[in-house]
Amino acid sequence: KQEVTQIPAALSVPEGENLVLNCSFTDSAIYNLQWFRQDPGKGLTSLLLIQSSQREQTSGRLNASLDKSSGRSTLYIAASQPGDSATYLCACSGNTPLVFGKGTRLSVIA
Amino acid sequence: DTAVSQTPKYLVTQMGNDKSIKCEQNLGHDTMYWYKQDSKKFLKIMFSYNNKELIINETVPNRFSPKSPDKAHLNLHINSLELGDSAVYFCASSGEKYEQYFGPGTRLTVT
Repeated sequence: KQEVTQIPAALSVPEGENLVLNCSFTDSAIYNLQWFRQDPGKGLTSLLLIQSSQREQTSGRLNASLDKSSGRSTLYIAASQPGDSATYLCACSGNTPLVFGKGTRLSVIA
Repeated sequence: DTAVSQTPKYLVTQMGNDKSIKCEQNLGHDTMYWYKQDSKKFLKIMFSYNNKELIINETVPNRFSPKSPDKAHLNLHINSLELGDSAVYFCASSGEKYEQYFGPGTRLTVT
């Protein structure tokens, strides 16, 4: 059974810092790994999707990596801004339904 | 040009009532999903439909019944609502690459 863990649960950083959010999963037989952003009271916005054959994806200030062998993914956010404050969720798609981590709540302080 | 839409956005009802939540996607995706996000913000899949056929049915009480009239719509009907059903319900859809797109959610409050 796939289990997804995200560390840390919460993170507070000053504006301008680069930061890394971590996601680990127990079953490496995944089709893809997806990172989402959720603002309070809102739905989920897809940030990046990494196919199982890929090692990383980039979009603007975001870079996500995937290491299937170690069961890890990271989301790197460069030059953080207050508008980046949200909960970030990773989710794995595979032989089991999409399984979510519990998220990392990020606060970027101006 | 909303990709995945849900109605209603908020739903307040009393225990024992029956209610429905509607979902529509205009992305041309074959697969649609219902998720439940509980008070601790943990997201868990409930159902998945592919081309109007049920393919995933997690451990969900049979008071919850999804219905897919066509591949662009997946509705969720809930009978005999209980306090523990209070949550945010998200609809999502995915295409060939399994990238999931979520609706804005329906906040259900059972009193």
